[in-house]
Amino acid sequence: EAQVTQNPRYLITVTGKKLTVTCSQNMNHEYMSWYRQDPGLGLRQIYYSMNVEVTDKGDVPEGYKVSRKEKRNFPLILESPSPNQTSLYFCASSQTTSRSYNSPLHFGNGTRLTVT
Amino acid sequence: AQKVTQAQTEISVVEKEDVTLDCVYETRDTTYYLFWYKQPPSGELVFLIRRNSFDEQNEISGRYSWNFQKSTSSFNFTITASQVVDSAVYFCALDNAGNNRKLIWGLGTSLAVNP
Repeated sequence: EAQVTQNPRYLITVTGKKLTVTCSQNMNHEYMSWYRQDPGLGLRQIYYSMNVEVTDKGDVPEGYKVSRKEKRNFPLILESPSPNQTSLYFCASSQTTSRSYNSPLHFGNGTRLTVT
Repeated sequence: AQKVTQAQTEISVVEKEDVTLDCVYETRDTTYYLFWYKQPPSGELVFLIRRNSFDEQNEISGRYSWNFQKSTSSFNFTITASQVVDSAVYFCALDNAGNNRKLIWGLGTSLAVNP
């Protein structure tokens, strides 16, 4: 089954304790991205990756890191989480070539992070 | 500036009623894409439809239909004969076809379909 898999689904942590949210897709997609969803602010892009070893900042990258060492994986790293990073996080993937541009973003099931 | 506005924050209907969710967008680009996603109470984001700026044909998929009008910069979504399972938050989003594939999202419309 074609899917984007995020883990964990729920995470409660304390300020300053490094954490990683994993994201993996099995569709051989080149493009991957991370979003956060907050009430009243909607969904905002954190980072994106056009391909392996190619990553770039989205609208709200502060406090986050990403890596793209393999095509299928795009982990989101919070080196020193703070309470303002409490949010619902989504990983997404899609094809990027114009010939296959009919591919929409496919989202994972989300990770609900609480930082106390 | 690019923007997506979903003016209806919450809508409540009774089962079997028809309901239309409004979406108005702003962009200066001539090539762009519009999407609708559904977020049920379980939280995942489910793709519903994608429409490009050169295709103004309306689309129907079962009880769902979409009306794209460039003249009014609107991409409205209608659910016919609503069902309780349609209860969810619905998001409209704009993709400017740029390299970052960033979607500009509306704030969503929360639809409650009551039995």
